[in-house]
Amino acid sequence: EAQVTQNPRYLITVTGKKLTVTCSQNMNHEYMSWYRQDPGLGLRQIYYSMNVEVTDKGDVPEGYKVSRKEKRNFPLILESPSPNQTSLYFCASRTSLEQYFGPGTRLTVT
Amino acid sequence: AQSVAQPEDQVNVAEGNPLTVKCTYSVSGNPYLFWYVQYPNRGLQFLLKYITGDNLVKGSYGFEAEFNKSQTSFHLKKPSALVSDSALYFCAVRAPNSGNTPLVFGKGTRLSVIA
Repeated sequence: EAQVTQNPRYLITVTGKKLTVTCSQNMNHEYMSWYRQDPGLGLRQIYYSMNVEVTDKGDVPEGYKVSRKEKRNFPLILESPSPNQTSLYFCASRTSLEQYFGPGTRLTVT
Repeated sequence: AQSVAQPEDQVNVAEGNPLTVKCTYSVSGNPYLFWYVQYPNRGLQFLLKYITGDNLVKGSYGFEAEFNKSQTSFHLKKPSALVSDSALYFCAVRAPNSGNTPLVFGKGTRLSVIA
């Protein structure tokens, strides 16, 4: 089954404690991206990657890092999380015509 | 720059009545347009897309959307609403033939179908 997976699905952490949210896709897509969803703001792109070792900033990259060492994986790294990064995060991969989303990771930073 | 506007934060409709969720967009060139739905505590599910061709696009769960180039709109419609259609709906746009442009989302419209 074609899918995008994310882990963990839920995470509660404290300010400053580094965390990684993993993302993996099994569709051999070159393009992957991360979004955060906040009430009243819709989905905003954090980072995207057009291929292995090629990443670029989206609209709201501050406080986040990503890496793309393999085509299927695109982890999101928060080196020093802060409460304003409390949000619902979605990983996505796409072809030129369709985008597929992971199930989401609900992150709470206290 | 691309942008999407969903002018209504909330739409309420009675079960069995037709529903419309509005979306307007701004993009250079002919757009790729999408609708996604998010049920409570779930991820985003693809509903339908317009790439080219017939302006009326049919999608999942009986939804359809009409592309109107002159009005730069892509409203989501369904002839008869179900309570189970209650969810958060997102319109999205992407410029064509540009591999690195993101899918830009509207802020979402919460649809509430009342029995």
